[in-house]
Amino acid sequence: KNQVEQSPQSLIILEGKNCTLQCNYTVSPFSNLRWYKQDTGRGPVSLTIMTFSENTKSNGRYTATLDADTKQSSLHITASQLSDSASYICVVSAGFQKLVFGTGTRLLVSP
Amino acid sequence: NAGVTQTPKFQVLKTGQSMTLQCAQDMNHEYMSWYRQDPGMGLRLIHYSVGAGITDQGEVPNGYNVSRSTTEDFPLRLLSAAPSQTSVYFCASSTGTFYGYTFGSGTRLTVV
Repeated sequence: KNQVEQSPQSLIILEGKNCTLQCNYTVSPFSNLRWYKQDTGRGPVSLTIMTFSENTKSNGRYTATLDADTKQSSLHITASQLSDSASYICVVSAGFQKLVFGTGTRLLVSP
Repeated sequence: NAGVTQTPKFQVLKTGQSMTLQCAQDMNHEYMSWYRQDPGMGLRLIHYSVGAGITDQGEVPNGYNVSRSTTEDFPLRLLSAAPSQTSVYFCASSTGTFYGYTFGSGTRLTVV
């Protein structure tokens, strides 16, 4: 069964600190992996998209990594800001119309 | 750019009522889709469209209808609302399924 599991479920960090969110997947075939940020009461916003051949992709203070061999991805947030408080969703594409969504990691950045 | 616009933002329905959730995009995207988001679950695909006049079912299509008469609009119809349809609904558009999606801000629907 195609699944995307994210950890931790929730996380609290102090403003200015770094953090890393994890995503493990069992999705086949693999097309690409995406990270989205979802603010409370809003729709998800795309952060990165990585294909099989990409190991790292950055978007400002967000850096995603992908290990296709172990089927793991991580999202690293550097120098966190209060505005980073949100849910972060990992999504794996298995091809046309086959997006498998994780349940997200809820991040709270505390002042 | 407005992006993807969903209306209404909130709606309360009685069991058995019907309604239409509106979705419009101004990016000339061919691909549009509807998802529902429930607590503790990932987003699930309801229906999608790859262009005007073409629609197809997703993972959880029962109880919903869609149509795509123009590139810009992709309404979702609830035929006879049930409490199980209480959820947050998101419309998304893209230039293709292998590209990033632009999501609307969602419609929070409660069926009592």
